[in-house]
Amino acid sequence: DQQVKQNSPSLSVQEGRISILNCDYTNSMFDYFLWYKKYPAEGPTFLISISSIKDKNEDGRFTVFLNKSAKHLSLHIVPSQPGDSAVYFCAASPSGTGTASKLTFGTGTRLQVTL
Amino acid sequence: DAGVIQSPRHEVTEMGQEVTLRCKPISGHNSLFWYRQTMMRGLELLIYFNNNVPIDDSGMPEDRFSAKMPNASFSTLKIQPSEPRDSAVYFCASSRGTPEAFFGQGTRLTVV
Repeated sequence: DQQVKQNSPSLSVQEGRISILNCDYTNSMFDYFLWYKKYPAEGPTFLISISSIKDKNEDGRFTVFLNKSAKHLSLHIVPSQPGDSAVYFCAASPSGTGTASKLTFGTGTRLQVTL
Repeated sequence: DAGVIQSPRHEVTEMGQEVTLRCKPISGHNSLFWYRQTMMRGLELLIYFNNNVPIDDSGMPEDRFSAKMPNASFSTLKIQPSEPRDSAVYFCASSRGTPEAFFGQGTRLTVV
């Protein structure tokens, strides 16, 4: 039972263009969402997060959008750079900011940014 | 800031042997998590601690797995006896009481 789904296992984008990574969830108890980036042979690195009380959060080139009614979130990277090539994981938590709790991860999307 | 430190980075062991994975969380972080990554199941939480106390161990696969956190700066995950299906990358993560957890580089375990 995959509660957090990333249906695209891979994505290829040209340098300078926008990368859009998608994530769907099924559990209505999730109210805090995170994106992690992972390079080979390294642990996941926190990228950006969003609380369910918001529909958008922006940090530099990275923006996360949340559509609660559709149980869908997306990560936009603009402009994409070759160093962004990595596996991106969507994660969800049943607790809001200020509380540590278990994260449920999606299966990841491998982004390749080409020259 | 040294980040979350895990040891060893790689472990190869024979089936039936005991395996101990170690983790040093970031100083000042009071929550610690053990995750396992496999091709079949992706990243899944095994257990997490708040203030050295185990809060949720529902992800621990079976009694062969055990985890301890004797103090705020050290945790172990032990598998006894190990089996080939335990082969995976095991990550330790810590956080300062927030959902944003910081991960170590992982321990790649191979059980032959």
